Amino acid sequence: EIVLTQSPATLSLSPGERAILSCRASQSVSSYLAWYQQRPGQAPRLLIYDTFKRATGIPARFSGSGSGTDFTLTISSLEPEDFAVYYCQQRSNWPLFGPGTRVEIK
Amino acid sequence: QVHLVESGGGLVKPGGSLRLSCATSGFIFSDYYMNWIRQAPGKGLEWVSHISGSGNAIYYADSLRGRFTISRDNAKNSLYLQINSLRDEDTAVYYCAREELGAQYYFDFWGQGTLVTVSS
Repeated sequence: EIVLTQSPATLSLSPGERAILSCRASQSVSSYLAWYQQRPGQAPRLLIYDTFKRATGIPARFSGSGSGTDFTLTISSLEPEDFAVYYCQQRSNWPLFGPGTRVEIK
Repeated sequence: QVHLVESGGGLVKPGGSLRLSCATSGFIFSDYYMNWIRQAPGKGLEWVSHISGSGNAIYYADSLRGRFTISRDNAKNSLYLQINSLRDEDTAVYYCAREELGAQYYFDFWGQGTLVTVSS
């Protein structure tokens, strides 16, 4: 079974800074990786799918990269509404989510 | 505008049963695979099950197969999840989520969730 790990667990940054979140798979998931944002008390929102494709309505400051086992979500300049938990998800076999990275205000 | 609204959660004793519903609007329901995904309090996301647009193809997470039954009524644009023999560890917010068309197992719209609490 594929296992996803995310790092760091918590990222403390200030608005305007760049955030780089990592997701690592225990075996290759090809390019079948997505990223979701979950704000407190809200449902997750799809940001990125197939490693780098932005979902409808997602701002360009969100970008994804990687392949195989190592993936990155980059938020180029943090807006106040970006402080949230971010999950990666693979669909190579069954859907499986990573444990999440919390991006908090420093 | 796409809307997904879950209902049916609540407080249930261990061993009890519950039927969750998800009412949808704003899209052609029968065209889409639909899913249930849950999130225990303060924890991450766990995929539960999905069902094809016609209802003919159904899959469950290996660890949950047997107590959960997913179904849909395309005439009512609604998705359902029957949960039997509830356990403490089933306590979670249950989300229904639409699968992106042409991109299996990516979830492009989610409901706000319904909380299931299993406790004696």
